[in-house]
Amino acid sequence: NAGVTQTPKFRVLKTGQSMTLLCAQDMNHEYMYWYRQDPGMGLRLIHYSVGEGTTAKGEVPDGYNVSRLKKQNFLLGLESAAPSQTSVYFCASSPSGTSGYEQYFGPGTRLTVT
Amino acid sequence: KQEVTQIPAALSVPEGENLVLNCSFTDSAIYNLQWFRQDPGKGLTSLLLIQSSQREQTSGRLNASLDKSSGRSTLYIAASQPGDSATYLCAVSSNYQLIWGAGTKLIIKP
Repeated sequence: NAGVTQTPKFRVLKTGQSMTLLCAQDMNHEYMYWYRQDPGMGLRLIHYSVGEGTTAKGEVPDGYNVSRLKKQNFLLGLESAAPSQTSVYFCASSPSGTSGYEQYFGPGTRLTVT
Repeated sequence: KQEVTQIPAALSVPEGENLVLNCSFTDSAIYNLQWFRQDPGKGLTSLLLIQSSQREQTSGRLNASLDKSSGRSTLYIAASQPGDSATYLCAVSSNYQLIWGAGTKLIIKP
């Protein structure tokens, strides 16, 4: 049982380049989330999904797109990377919404945009 | 808008001491509150989850309390060890998302 995994662990992009971050979970969780963490700040929700084929915007969605084609996978895309998107990105999953259940986190992806 | 604050931002104590980390939130209409641990360069590990109807949760040397009316939670760590050194974050569940504090960086000196 791997839990939540993220690919890649590190990435350096140049401004304007695109990339996709992959999150996978093997716990059959319905809900999945993408967060970013910046120094000295708490995590901020980018997008989330309440089930296969559905996505919704979180607190800071601009510049990102997501897809949930399979229940176990949640992809985060950056179409045209900007230095402001330099951050650590965390994926999480939970059995349902946050009302009663814990979120389980992946190890993070450290992204630098130059 | 829900805001979560953690004080202090950093704390350094000798090994063996009991300590308390604080978390405050502005809107008492929460579903639950979670405490997480984050080691440098690593992901987040959930330590304790307190439902809104509960007052406290315990796990080993950790005890978390919740006072919704005052908008406060505390994480009590008993008999601290160097292995407890990490950043501790609290997050409150509000609607569809978790709202996070910025964390308290804890250093336990041997």
